[in-house]
Amino acid sequence: AQSVTQLGSHVSVSEGALVLLRCNYSSSVPPYLFWYVQYPNQGLQLLLKYTTGATLVKGINGFEAEFNKSETSFHLTKPSAHMSDAAEYFCAVTNNAGNMLTFGGGTRLMVKP
Amino acid sequence: EPEVTQTPSHQVTQMGQEVILRCVPISNHLYFYWYRQILGQKVEFLVSFYNNEISEKSEIFDDQFSVERPDGSNFTLKIRSTKLEDSAMYFCASSQGGNQPQHFGDGTRLSIL
Repeated sequence: AQSVTQLGSHVSVSEGALVLLRCNYSSSVPPYLFWYVQYPNQGLQLLLKYTTGATLVKGINGFEAEFNKSETSFHLTKPSAHMSDAAEYFCAVTNNAGNMLTFGGGTRLMVKP
Repeated sequence: EPEVTQTPSHQVTQMGQEVILRCVPISNHLYFYWYRQILGQKVEFLVSFYNNEISEKSEIFDDQFSVERPDGSNFTLKIRSTKLEDSAMYFCASSQGGNQPQHFGDGTRLSIL
């Protein structure tokens, strides 16, 4: 069975600072990994995905994530935080059949002026 | 950009009543999903649907739940006899294929009184 752990339910950074949101997964098969963002009163929006190939994946809004097989991690980063990045971020992994997502508990990102 | 739409945005129902949540997936997508998010908790998988049948379901998706694609565009989730603990945000999602990114609607907030 798949599982996802997001360390830190709340992360606070200053505007312009580096954003690092941590995600570790467990999977019995090569994983497909995703990061989603949820703004207040909205659904989940796909930020980026890792399927196969290059381990560094770039997404929307300047975010990127690196798949690290040995550490079973898929941390999300952004070099410089904007106020508009304040939201909840979810890491997710698919199952073997690719027909369900298992989500982490989410990390709420706060950006201070 | 095509999107998944869900109606209603908020549903208030008395305990024990039946409720139907509606979704219109993206038109060329073949896989359909329901997830729920209880307030303050993680997003949980309920069910996936492909080729007019359930392809995967979680232990949450018991006999009180059912899904249907009544026509070529709608995808519904029915809860037969609602309980207080069914209060949650319910998200519909669709994807072009298994392991493809899932696109989410904005959700239906279900409140059981």
